[in-house]
Amino acid sequence: DQQVKQNSPSLSVQEGRISILNCDYTNSMFDYFLWYKKYPAEGPTFLISISSIKDKNEDGRFTVFLNKSAKHLSLHIVPSQPGDSAVYFCAATTNTGKLIFGQGTTLQVKP
Amino acid sequence: DTGVSQNPRHKITKRGQNVTFRCDPISEHNRLYWYRQTLGQGPEFLTYFQNEAQLEKSRLLSDRFSAERPKGSFSTLEIQRTEQGDSAMYLCASSLDQSYGYTFGSGTRLTVV
Repeated sequence: DQQVKQNSPSLSVQEGRISILNCDYTNSMFDYFLWYKKYPAEGPTFLISISSIKDKNEDGRFTVFLNKSAKHLSLHIVPSQPGDSAVYFCAATTNTGKLIFGQGTTLQVKP
Repeated sequence: DTGVSQNPRHKITKRGQNVTFRCDPISEHNRLYWYRQTLGQGPEFLTYFQNEAQLEKSRLLSDRFSAERPKGSFSTLEIQRTEQGDSAMYLCASSLDQSYGYTFGSGTRLTVV
């Protein structure tokens, strides 16, 4: 039962353009959503989050959008930089603090 | 405090052997989580502790797996009678209470041959 899904295994964009990573979820009880970034041989690093009571959260080049009716969230990176190349995981949680992760999307930003 | 520390970074073991991993969380964090990640998948929840109490265990955690967190500080994850399907990256994370965005360690990569 995959409660959090990232249907695109990979994404390639040119430097300076926008990267859009998508995530869908099935459990309406999730109250917080997070994005993590992972480089090879390292643990995931927290990037940005959004509460279920909001529809947008912005932090510098990173913006997360939440559409509760569609059970969909997306991460926008503008402008994309080669250093953004990594695996991005979407995650969701209830008030237990346990995170449920998606399968990840590998982003490649080409110079 | 340099973050969440996991040891060893890599472990190769023969099938049927027991292995133990250690996680040292950020010192003021009272919650500690174990996750497992296989190739092409996101991290999967295994178990978590609040202080020394183990509050939840995933059904992924078979009876060959045991985790402890004595005195609410470091934690160990032991796998008995390892199988090839146990090969994965084992990740530890810690947080303060139920704060979101917890800090992960670099993981222990287990290879069972």
